[in-house]
Amino acid sequence: GAGVSQTPSNKVTEKGKYVELRCDPISGHTALYWYRQSLGQGPEFLIYFQGTGAADDSGLPNDRFFAVRPEGSVSTLKIQRTERGDSAVYLCASSTSGPSSYNEQFFGPGTRLTVL
Amino acid sequence: AQSVTQLGSHVSVSEGALVLLRCNYSSSVPPYLFWYVQYPNQGLQLLLKYTSAATLVKGINGFEAEFKKSETSFHLTKPSAHMSDAAEYFCAVKGSGNTGKLIFGQGTTLQVKP
Repeated sequence: GAGVSQTPSNKVTEKGKYVELRCDPISGHTALYWYRQSLGQGPEFLIYFQGTGAADDSGLPNDRFFAVRPEGSVSTLKIQRTERGDSAVYLCASSTSGPSSYNEQFFGPGTRLTVL
Repeated sequence: AQSVTQLGSHVSVSEGALVLLRCNYSSSVPPYLFWYVQYPNQGLQLLLKYTSAATLVKGINGFEAEFKKSETSFHLTKPSAHMSDAAEYFCAVKGSGNTGKLIFGQGTTLQVKP
């Protein structure tokens, strides 16, 4: 079956612009995670959805970042008034259910965001 | 709070040599630990995980890791490196709370020389 997909694979934008990044999780996966990976660093947690609701958004850096998952499947990460420091690879992951430590997170290939 | 430290941002070995990638963790509760591999332009792939069962964990592609509580370590090893093992490797610990989020180390790039 299909894995986690993310679109676009690359996004170049100008400082101050608004961007949306999309994640299609594996069908049937109820848990969805967003991470951000800066150059030379490991991924950093942003937000976790269980179904349609954001169960943990403690990793969002500020109020310019927002994410939705209206139907419990596809998720969109939205960044307003982008800054050069937002440049990174944004990773999405999904897993079968809940936050159990045994549930493997399957990662998408990421969206590389470049803010000029 | 949970955290992970990977010692050595770059490791270079010869093909056929032992691979050792180091990971130390900090956790206020019994940890759940993971190793992921990232090939260029691909998503992270789970190599293995420790979930408080056996301390020696075997994963895919011949990799294994040993959980040592006394040393707060979870080092990744492979007896004989293959050219295809060249990639970025991340150690991670499950974060506190009930969300399943992962806290990653900064990663180690493994280079395999012919």
